[in-house]
Amino acid sequence: LAKTTQPISMDSYEGQEVNITCSHNNIATNDYITWYQQFPSQGPRFIIQGYKTKVTNEVASLFIPADRKSSTLSLPRVSLSDTAVYYCLVAYSGTYKYIFGTGTRLKVLA
Amino acid sequence: KAGVTQTPRYLIKTRGQQVTLSCSPISGHRSVSWYQQTPGQGLQFLFEYFSETQRNKGNFPGRFSGRQFSNSRSEMNVSTLELGDSALYLCASSWGAGQPDTGELFFGEGSRLTVL
Repeated sequence: LAKTTQPISMDSYEGQEVNITCSHNNIATNDYITWYQQFPSQGPRFIIQGYKTKVTNEVASLFIPADRKSSTLSLPRVSLSDTAVYYCLVAYSGTYKYIFGTGTRLKVLA
Repeated sequence: KAGVTQTPRYLIKTRGQQVTLSCSPISGHRSVSWYQQTPGQGLQFLFEYFSETQRNKGNFPGRFSGRQFSNSRSEMNVSTLELGDSALYLCASSWGAGQPDTGELFFGEGSRLTVL
């Protein structure tokens, strides 16, 4: 299974757009990418999922390029409350083995 | 509906002891997976259960084991505890079947284990 890596940390200012990339080498066409947000002393919370091109919901967008070697979580107009650790997850189809990325600590500054 | 419930939330053990952690999934969810989270290693997959069967497991020693009951509740056990087992242990539930495995997991708050 591919190793999944993310930048260790990122800083941003309130109101800016933040893009966090997850590198996962080659994954199969039906393998899903899912992103989670985690606050201290809490379990991760689902943000968004997808397996191709672009997906958007009320809080984020997910971009998966055609080569599927990476995916990008986009958070529009972040606020202080978005300060958290963000994890990508590759769900390898049919394996029920969930490999999380290394996590990115996002700090939003006023 | 109620979320994923993990018990106990906090516990302290000494080296050599064993520990059992419990996880009650969201009603209707039949898959339960377990994770170890440490500052140095991040979120690591331990194992996944569906209908009382382990479908996959991560790279952990045999001291880490789990099981799932007919009501989908799950337990994990760590025997002969080592200092390095100190971590936040998280469980997550999902439907587990009947649709693509999207990796949409619902996590509990975790059980924080400290080994002295």
